[in-house]
Amino acid sequence: GAGVSQTPSNKVTEKGKYVELRCDPISGHTALYWYRQSLGQGPEFLIYFQGTGAADDSGLPNDRFFAVRPEGSVSTLKIQRTERGDSAVYLCASSPDRGSGTQYFGPGTRLLVL
Amino acid sequence: QKEVEQDPGPLSVPEGAIVSLNCTYSNSAFQYFMWYRQYSRKGPELLMYTYSSGNKEDGRFTAQVDKSSKYISLFIRDSQPSDSATYLCAPWGRGAQKLVFGQGTRLTINP
Repeated sequence: GAGVSQTPSNKVTEKGKYVELRCDPISGHTALYWYRQSLGQGPEFLIYFQGTGAADDSGLPNDRFFAVRPEGSVSTLKIQRTERGDSAVYLCASSPDRGSGTQYFGPGTRLLVL
Repeated sequence: QKEVEQDPGPLSVPEGAIVSLNCTYSNSAFQYFMWYRQYSRKGPELLMYTYSSGNKEDGRFTAQVDKSSKYISLFIRDSQPSDSATYLCAPWGRGAQKLVFGQGTRLTINP
């Protein structure tokens, strides 16, 4: 079956602009996660959704970052007033169960802020 | 101190060699110890995991956990060029909502 998909695959924007990153999880997976991976580092947790609600948003670095999952499937990560330090690969993962260590990752969106 | 520490490498070995990849962690609440593999420009994929202390073997791969010393290892036997990737350790505790990844070790197997 189809895996986790993320769009766009690459995004180049200018400092101060607003961006939206989309994640389509595996059908039927109730848990959805966002991570951020900087060059040469492991993924860093941002936010976790169980269904439509954000069960844990403790990893969001500041209030410029926001994510939604209004129908419990597709999720959008939104970044306002982008900064050069936001440049990274943004990874989405899903799992069929609540809070699982077995997560299925998408290919990521490579964000470059100029 | 980071919650999970992993030798960043890079590590380069000849084909057929035995590879040892290691992590240490600080949170004694971790119960599951995941190893993810990440190819260049791809998302991580789960390779294998162990529960609590002990060994688990899956083909050429063996995962080992020593909870008393908070030490995690992954061994690859008869390494192949297709094993060239970044290996990420990620301990996890039941009830936790997130994976805590190590820095990742970049491994290259030379034909």
